[in-house]
Amino acid sequence: KQEVTQIPAALSVPEGENLVLNCSFTDSAIYNLQWFRQDPGKGLTSLLLIQSSQREQTSGRLNASLDKSSGRSTLYIAASQPGDSATYLCAVTQFAGNNRKLIWGLGTSLAVNP
Amino acid sequence: KAGVTQTPRYLIKTRGQQVTLSCSPISGHRSVSWYQQTPGQGLQFLFEYFSETQRNKGNFPGRFSGRQFSNSRSEMNVSTLELGDSALYLCASSFADEQFFGPGTRLTVL
Repeated sequence: KQEVTQIPAALSVPEGENLVLNCSFTDSAIYNLQWFRQDPGKGLTSLLLIQSSQREQTSGRLNASLDKSSGRSTLYIAASQPGDSATYLCAVTQFAGNNRKLIWGLGTSLAVNP
Repeated sequence: KAGVTQTPRYLIKTRGQQVTLSCSPISGHRSVSWYQQTPGQGLQFLFEYFSETQRNKGNFPGRFSGRQFSNSRSEMNVSTLELGDSALYLCASSFADEQFFGPGTRLTVL
């Protein structure tokens, strides 16, 4: 059974710091991995999607890497800003026959202090 | 393009009542998925609809049901509400691999 773990559960950093969020999964047979951002009481915003054949994806100050063999993904945020404060979730997609399923981590709550 | 919309945004019900939540996907998206989010359990998959057919289902009791209409709009229904059903209910639409989420409906059961 696939399990997704995100460490740390919470992180507080000063503005301007570069930081890394971690996501690990137990079954390497994934279709893709997505990173999302969730602001308090709101829905999720997709940040980056990495297909299983890819190693990394970049968008602006964000870079996500994927190492399927070790069951790990990292989300790198460069030059963090107070506006980056949110909960960051990762989810892996698996297929069972034609059924697609997303398995989620519990998230990392990030606070960037001015 | 308009994003995923969900109505209502907030709902307060009492135990034993039933509730219907609505989700309008992004235009052109035929897949709609529903999730329940609670602080302790995180995001739990409820079900997915594609072209009016339920194509995937999570491990929730039969009190949770859904449907999808020909215009891809989807509704989920929870009957005989329990206190533990209090949660943020999120729907997501997708065209290919990426999922796009609505703002959610915050359900409180008293």
